[in-house]
Amino acid sequence: AQSVTQLDSQVPVFEEAPVELRCNYSSSVSVYLFWYVQYPNQGLQLLLKYLSGSTLVKGINGFEAEFNKSQTSFHLRKPSVHISDTAEYFCAVSRIQGAQKLVFGQGTRLTINP
Amino acid sequence: DTGVSQNPRHKITKRGQNVTFRCDPISEHNRLYWYRQTLGQGPEFLTYFQNEAQLEKSRLLSDRFSAERPKGSFSTLEIQRTEQGDSAMYLCASSGEIEAFFGQGTRLTVV
Repeated sequence: AQSVTQLDSQVPVFEEAPVELRCNYSSSVSVYLFWYVQYPNQGLQLLLKYLSGSTLVKGINGFEAEFNKSQTSFHLRKPSVHISDTAEYFCAVSRIQGAQKLVFGQGTRLTINP
Repeated sequence: DTGVSQNPRHKITKRGQNVTFRCDPISEHNRLYWYRQTLGQGPEFLTYFQNEAQLEKSRLLSDRFSAERPKGSFSTLEIQRTEQGDSAMYLCASSGEIEAFFGQGTRLTVV
């Protein structure tokens, strides 16, 4: 089975400051890794994904994440945040084989203050 | 391509009533998933279809829940004899290869 732990439930930052949202996962098999963003009362939108290859992946809205296999981590970063980045962020994994259902972390609420 | 569509967006029902939600996936996607999300939590997997075949069900899916995907197109999720604990956001997602695209969800409130 797979599990995902998002180490911070809430992260407040000031506008234009850098931010890192932390994610660790556990799996006995190879997995794909994802970060999704959810705005209030909306579905989830994919920010970025790691499938294979380069461990640094870039996504939409200026976000990037680095896959670290030895530390089983997939932290999300942005060098300068905007008010519009205020949302809930979810880290998720899926098995490479089979149903590829997503296993999500508990989420991190990112609040950007002016 | 209009994305994944879910209806209704909101549903308020009395305890004990039956409810049905609909999901229209992206047309060329053969995989369809249902997830449930409660307040302050990440989504939890409920069930998975490949075309019309329901291939996996979570233990969260009690016998009051049933899902169908006739003809491998749209899907329905029915909850019979609703309970207050069923109050949640029900999310549908579809995928072709790897990336899952989510609908906006149906928020169910059981009163």
